[in-house]
Amino acid sequence: QSVLTQPPSVSGAPGRRVTISCTGSSSNIGAGYDVHWYQLLPGTAPKLLIYGNNNRPLGVPDRFSGSKSGTSASLAITRLQAEDEADYYCQSYDSSLSGYVIFGGGTKLTVL
Amino acid sequence: QVQLAESGGGVVQPGRSLRLSCAVSGFTFGSYGMHWVRQAPGGGLEWVALISNDETKKYYGDSVKGRFTISRDNSKNTVFLQMNSLRPEDTAVYYCAKDRGWGISVAASYFNSWGQGTLVTVSS
Repeated sequence: QSVLTQPPSVSGAPGRRVTISCTGSSSNIGAGYDVHWYQLLPGTAPKLLIYGNNNRPLGVPDRFSGSKSGTSASLAITRLQAEDEADYYCQSYDSSLSGYVIFGGGTKLTVL
Repeated sequence: QVQLAESGGGVVQPGRSLRLSCAVSGFTFGSYGMHWVRQAPGGGLEWVALISNDETKKYYGDSVKGRFTISRDNSKNTVFLQMNSLRPEDTAVYYCAKDRGWGISVAASYFNSWGQGTLVTVSS
């Protein structure tokens, strides 16, 4: 059971928009800690997509965006492309006894 | 170009030890903290450990604390993970990952470069 909750799967047609939620609590996202997002494609190294809630590293298309509010964060992907089909993970920090770096359970994006 | 290459994975019996290595290039290794993150088969990502750029600070996830030790050799641009008393639940792909900074504040950590991982299987 992950400390951060993500939907197991989302789907969307090419060209459409999807969002992936990441729900935490008052000891992590709600405490003000930043949320970061990663993309995992089979057979490749994981890739940083969003850091510091809403910042894109160089080379990440502006179709990817992040937001954060209260105890939750979201990743939005617009103009869906077949190559976006992958697993997506949110990450933050938790200040509770079992704290340190935490991940969401991951979301499988299927491009229909 | 930043590159991270893990090695040392394999099949090991429960209770035995294994040492993973991660050789890096393309950035000033001694200026960044380094992490190990793992992914069990069919599972999600789990953070394992962090070492600061100068080795003064080390942090571990609860599931490996007391069994795993992270270290680094800045002269060889390599980070290590010594895994002792291995359990079947340690079976996973182990990734090394570069921290965004010195790795002194784990609360501010995120991973801006990753290796492709090495598979560790703990089984009798």
